[in-house]
Amino acid sequence: ETGVTQSPTHLIKTRGQQVTLRCSSQSGHNTVSWYQQALGQGPQFIFQYYREEENGRGNFPPRFSGLQFPNYSSELNVNALELDDSALYLCASSEARETQIRAFFGQGTRLTVV
Amino acid sequence: RKEVEQDPGPFNVPEGATVAFNCTYSNSASQSFFWYRQDCRKEPKLLMSVYSSGNEDGRFTAQLNRASQYISLLIRDSKLSDSATYLCVVNVLTGANNLFFGTGTRLTVIP
Repeated sequence: ETGVTQSPTHLIKTRGQQVTLRCSSQSGHNTVSWYQQALGQGPQFIFQYYREEENGRGNFPPRFSGLQFPNYSSELNVNALELDDSALYLCASSEARETQIRAFFGQGTRLTVV
Repeated sequence: RKEVEQDPGPFNVPEGATVAFNCTYSNSASQSFFWYRQDCRKEPKLLMSVYSSGNEDGRFTAQLNRASQYISLLIRDSKLSDSATYLCVVNVLTGANNLFFGTGTRLTVIP
């Protein structure tokens, strides 16, 4: 077990709705990254939070937003859901912002948009 | 061009076989390299880090060639439990210390 937990594990939403996914990072880890994994693809970086601030962003539109809280847990919010947003959303926590990152993943939230 | 490219497979090999996976990365500033394993409908799990000197963990050997920007994973004496998708992962420190994943190579070990 990595100590990274995500909720919910599964979710079905309708196109146009909004969704919030949650992640509790491993104890001692101050950095949380979110990834989207579509079926048959590798995970794609959405954004990263370090000490409650966004620390970088991948090629995702602004309707993907996030937060990190003082206890380093994090949320991913997606507005105006589209069918292509259906994917496994992975949260990864890591210990340091600098080199030799080792990321530990939660079990993921499987989002289906219908 | 993708940051990390892998042969998606699938690789179907008999038990006991040796199998090798390869991966190339495009950014010469890449700093850290990993192989992750992902079982069906599960999260990726770190299998091993990859160092320039090469490293071995039991039946698994990883190699990095920085000049060719090439990473490999060798699995000897394949077990049924090795069946999974193997993800080549690269870390590029560009503001965010994030990971770039290949699409993964699917391995099935056959009895």
